[in-house]
Amino acid sequence: DIQMTQSPSSLSASVGDRVTITCRTSQSITNSLNWYQQKPGKPPKLLIYDASSLQSGVPSSFSGSGSGTDFTLTISGLQPEDFATYYCQQSYSTPYTFGQGTKLEIK
Amino acid sequence: EVQLLESGGSLVQPGGSLRLSCAASGFTFSSYAMSWVRQAPGKGLEWVSSISASGGRAYYADSVKGRFTISRDNSRSMLFFEMKTVRAEDTAVYYCVKDRLNTVTADFDYWGQGTLVTVSS
Repeated sequence: DIQMTQSPSSLSASVGDRVTITCRTSQSITNSLNWYQQKPGKPPKLLIYDASSLQSGVPSSFSGSGSGTDFTLTISGLQPEDFATYYCQQSYSTPYTFGQGTKLEIK
Repeated sequence: EVQLLESGGSLVQPGGSLRLSCAASGFTFSSYAMSWVRQAPGKGLEWVSSISASGGRAYYADSVKGRFTISRDNSRSMLFFEMKTVRAEDTAVYYCVKDRLNTVTADFDYWGQGTLVTVSS
């Protein structure tokens, strides 16, 4: 199985800040990496697929980069609605594994 | 508007069985792969199973292989998940999830609200 390591596990930031979340995989997955946002009591929402492609309807303040084993999600200009938990997920091979999540909190 | 509505979650005893259903609307169901992803209370996300658009191919996590079966009825736009010999560790919210493409790409672009399965005596 491909192991996913997300960092940090939690993060405090202020409205307007730029934040970066990192995801590292145990083996190369080319660009088969997705990012999701989940708010309490709600299902996850796809933000980024194929490492850097913005899902339709997602604000351009979200961006993704990386390939191989190292990936990042960047949120530029944090908005109040961006405070949530973020997960990375590899779509390279089964089992399709998720990172443990990064909880983004308001400072 | 894409809608995925799960049902069937409940309290079940260890060793028991349960069938989850997902009613899909707002898209051509028969053209997309579908999956189940679960989330234990207060925990992260775990992919458990996927099925191709035609239903001809199914994939499972080792944790459920041999106990759970994914299926679909394209004529009714329905996805199913037959759960047998359930264990306490199967307790979770189960999400019905649409794939972004017609093959199993595991790019999960739409999620239902989830149905809670609780395994306890």
